[in-house]
Amino acid sequence: GAVVSQHPSWVICKSGTSVKIECRSLDFQATTMFWYRQFPKQSLMLMATSNEGSKATYEQGVEKDKFLINHASLTLSTLTVTSAHPEDSSFYICSANEALGTDTQYFGPGTRLTVL
Amino acid sequence: SQKIEQNSEALNIQEGKTATLTCNYTNYSPAYLQWYRQDPGRGPVFLLLIRENEKEKRKERLKVTFDTTLKQSLFHITASQPADSATYLCALDSADSWGKLQFGAGTQVVVTP
Repeated sequence: GAVVSQHPSWVICKSGTSVKIECRSLDFQATTMFWYRQFPKQSLMLMATSNEGSKATYEQGVEKDKFLINHASLTLSTLTVTSAHPEDSSFYICSANEALGTDTQYFGPGTRLTVL
Repeated sequence: SQKIEQNSEALNIQEGKTATLTCNYTNYSPAYLQWYRQDPGRGPVFLLLIRENEKEKRKERLKVTFDTTLKQSLFHITASQPADSATYLCALDSADSWGKLQFGAGTQVVVTP
């Protein structure tokens, strides 16, 4: 199956700083990637849809100015958490469909963000 | 609004037995439903996808059924092994746009030798 990677796998930062998380599709091109957030013992919640070459689409309640998404190429999407606060500490996961029009979605291994 | 429910209590099962998980949904008619496995601290791993016009799907020791009348999917792990211990998530496609998934909270399965 298709492989999606994320970097870093974990990050600890101070409150007020910004953190960038990368999501790469390793063996396929992804015009669309998705960013999820998961709090302990809870379900994955979709944050935004990242579209290559255009603006991301954010879900209701997700601040687009706080969670900046850039999909600069067909294999790379980045999520930047700006001015991070302790409540932003979570598990961030990206995903992509292997090919346009297919329904199977492949997920990255996730990035654990801890804001002190 | 769409709602997806999975058993919140962990399912403890003896090795070799069949584990059966339930996913119920309301206020929606999905085109397909997917099951994922998630280990602690890891992203979900795709297992099976079943479409609305399919009743059953199998993959090795896994079996999924989809009853659109009952709005329910059952996920079976036959001949369970300790390595099957994980949290299993069901996900439905979104009515809003292609590719967006809505997840249940997951059911933890613990297989003991």
